This record gives sequence, C-alpha cells and structure tokens, in this order.
Amino acid sequence: GENVEQHPSTLSVQEGDSAVIKCTYSDSASNYFPWYKQELGKRPQLIIDIRSNVGEKKDQRIAVTLNKTAKHFSLHITETQPEDSAVYFCAASLGFKTIFGAGTRLFVKA
Amino acid sequence: DVKVTQSSRYLVKRTGEKVFLECVQDMDHENMFWYRQDPGLGLRLIYFSYDVKMKEKGDIPEGYSVSREKKERFSLILESASTNQTSMYLCASKGKPNTGELFFGEGSRLTVL
Repeated sequence: GENVEQHPSTLSVQEGDSAVIKCTYSDSASNYFPWYKQELGKRPQLIIDIRSNVGEKKDQRIAVTLNKTAKHFSLHITETQPEDSAVYFCAASLGFKTIFGAGTRLFVKA
Repeated sequence: DVKVTQSSRYLVKRTGEKVFLECVQDMDHENMFWYRQDPGLGLRLIYFSYDVKMKEKGDIPEGYSVSREKKERFSLILESASTNQTSMYLCASKGKPNTGELFFGEGSRLTVL
C-alpha cells in the first residue's frame, strides 16, 4: 500500500543551526504535501504545505521543497530556536486520504 | 477559532470493555477522521467519514467501528477493547478533500489493562 518514509527519526541541533527533514512517498498520484508540528502534549498543527505543481515554498524560517520525479520532499528550518523543539510529521495526500510519515523528533539545544 | 473537541483526554479501560471516543467539530466540515498515534509509527488512519452516515475504512480498521449520525460528531467505538489498542487516538476534520489542512483534536489517551 501507500507509504511515506521520513528521516531522521531524531535530530539534535544547536540553536541557530539549520535542520533538514526528508521524506519520500510511494503514491505518485499524491498532490498535496503538508507538514505538521506537534509540541509535547499538544495536537499536531499545520506549519507549511506544498502542492504538486510547485517546487518550493517558503514562510519565514521554514521552507519546503518537492521533487515529484524522485518522489521526495523536505522541510528546512533555518536559524533554529528552542521553541522549534517538537515532533514534525510529513504527509502525502490525495483526496480524502492523508498518509503520514513516522515523525522526526527535533531537539534544539540552547 | 476552529475547534475539534475530543470528550475524553485520558481513559483507562479493562480488556473486553466497550469503549466510545467522541469527537465534535464546530467548523461545519464534511470530512472527519480517526487516527491512531504510536511512537515510531506516526499517525495511522483508522476510519474516515465524508458525510453524515457515511464511513470508509482506513489502513487499520480491525477492532474498531465508527458512527456519524450528525455532521459535527464522529465517534470511534472499540467493541471489545484489547491491550494492543492502548494508544493515543486523534480525531481530525477538514472541509473539502483537496483543501488540505487537517484540524486535530487534543487527543484521547486510552490505556487498556
């Protein structure tokens, strides 16, 4: 069946450094790729998304890139801050179905 | 402010008990979802509903059923709880299939003893 692989599972960076999380998906028909952030004890919340007709999208310190040919997409966080510490989930979506990656736990050390 | 509310944040049940998890959304969304969240496995779709009284199986429906009698309410039912159903359950809703964003509830942590 469809799946989304996400790497790394854990990522530790120094405050101010960049963080990159990578995902691959199997269903080439997927056309929407959201990223969710889940802080400890809280609900997942959308932080950025990209549609299949776009290669890159940026929102302040976060950016997402999409390579449809390779079925890869990545999240880039620049100038990381302690409040960026959370679990990040990538996902691939088509219509009703959204398939999530296993998550990346990001630690930002002050 | 959009809101998805799950009635129980924490539940402890015994093996074999029937369990109801309730979810209500106030955004007039057509689509509602139940996910299960386990460490290292991400969020896995149990069931979803695209309209009142309509339901579709997700990736892991075994041992679960759902009910959608009203647009705003989507219930997850464990007919006979088992220890391997100990998990965090997340309800979510979204407006149109390709609008994209899922709005999640706070989650219900279920422990089955």
